[in-house]
Amino acid sequence: AQSVTQPDIHITVSEGASLELRCNYSYGATPYLFWYVQSPGQGLQLLLKYFSGDTLVQGIKGFEAEFKRSQSSFNLRKPSVHWSDAAEYFCAVGVGTGRRALTFGSGTRLQVQP
Amino acid sequence: GAVVSQHPSRVICKSGTSVKIECRSLDFQATTMFWYRQFPKKSLMLMATSNEGSKATYEQGVEKDKFLINHASLTLSTLTVTSAHPEDSSFYICSASGRLNEQFFGPGTRLTVL
Repeated sequence: AQSVTQPDIHITVSEGASLELRCNYSYGATPYLFWYVQSPGQGLQLLLKYFSGDTLVQGIKGFEAEFKRSQSSFNLRKPSVHWSDAAEYFCAVGVGTGRRALTFGSGTRLQVQP
Repeated sequence: GAVVSQHPSRVICKSGTSVKIECRSLDFQATTMFWYRQFPKKSLMLMATSNEGSKATYEQGVEKDKFLINHASLTLSTLTVTSAHPEDSSFYICSASGRLNEQFFGPGTRLTVL
């Protein structure tokens, strides 16, 4: 069965510092991988996704992620964090027909210090 | 991106009553809708997948008689929590997917059962 692991429950970074959120997956086939952000009172917003092709994926809000098949990882990065990036981040793998049913990781809460 | 709404955003009910949550795709036709449940400080768990005009497919461990899902049109799916109990209190999130296979999430409904 598929699974997604986000080993960091909570991360605190200073504004302007770089960020990397870790994600490891387990899935028998080629994965469809996603990163979502959830802010209080708002729905999940898609940051970026990987289906195939270039393993370095660019997303919205200056985020990028790199798919590493050998490490079963899809880590999210941002070179300079803004205070507005404080939120909960979820990594997910798409399964089933069309790979749209998502299995989510447990999430990483990002706190940004001024 | 496309907009998915949920109604109500919050509901408080007495134990034993039934609660209906609506999920609407406002500007596209959703051939498939997904219902997720999110426990406090936890990840989203897929409950069921519903295709328009078909019976929903429930994930293992989800009681289909407890959580009734109807997807009667291409823009509306409903989740009814029947005979709700305090353990059903949770954050319920829907997502909708159209022909392009993109998936858009609603803002969620917080259910509190007293």
